Amino acid sequence: DVKVTQSSRYLVKRTGEKVFLECVQDMDHENMFWYRQDPGLGLRLIYFSYDVKMKEKGDIPEGYSVSREKKERFSLILESASTNQTSMYLCASSFTRPPLHFGNGTRLTVT
Amino acid sequence: DQQVKQNSPSLSVQEGRISILNCDYTNSMFDYFLWYKKYPAEGPTFLISISSIKDKNEDGRFTVFLNKSAKHLSLHIVPSQPGDSAVYFCAASPNYGGATNKLIFGTGTLLAVQP
Repeated sequence: DVKVTQSSRYLVKRTGEKVFLECVQDMDHENMFWYRQDPGLGLRLIYFSYDVKMKEKGDIPEGYSVSREKKERFSLILESASTNQTSMYLCASSFTRPPLHFGNGTRLTVT
Repeated sequence: DQQVKQNSPSLSVQEGRISILNCDYTNSMFDYFLWYKKYPAEGPTFLISISSIKDKNEDGRFTVFLNKSAKHLSLHIVPSQPGDSAVYFCAASPNYGGATNKLIFGTGTLLAVQP
């Protein structure tokens, strides 16, 4: 079974803090993704990576950056957290084609 | 600009009856479609998919239909069970250049199956 593990289930951060969300997959997948889920908006792609040190912007990259130093690990960074980044963050991984396999999500609250 | 649309935010069905969830898309470059199921406080789980070269795919109680001319797909669940109560997301994958592995998601439909 594919395992995508997100390091935190719940996080509470203050406005302006630098926030790191970590994700690890154990299936040797080439691709890794960060989505956010908001009510009424579905899942929106923030960034994805198709190889180590490679990344591409998704639909809503503003305010975020990513890091992929090892194949199994993909980090999402909020450089200066803002209240509009309060959301459910979902990491996923896949081979070259779908389906994507998701982690259980990190519920981030920025106060 | 919402390329994948699920116009029904919610659906309520009696146990044992058929559930039909609908999805429309606008981009003719989409060539692969998927349905995901999501329970609260969990990540989405892959349910079933269909390639654009097919018009139907079945897996047990779940069937996905694709109408390319109408840019419409639907998920049928027969018979519906209370454990099917969840949010269902439709997703599409474009086939152009290096973007073959991205998924574009709809906004989701909350299915409630009443015992």
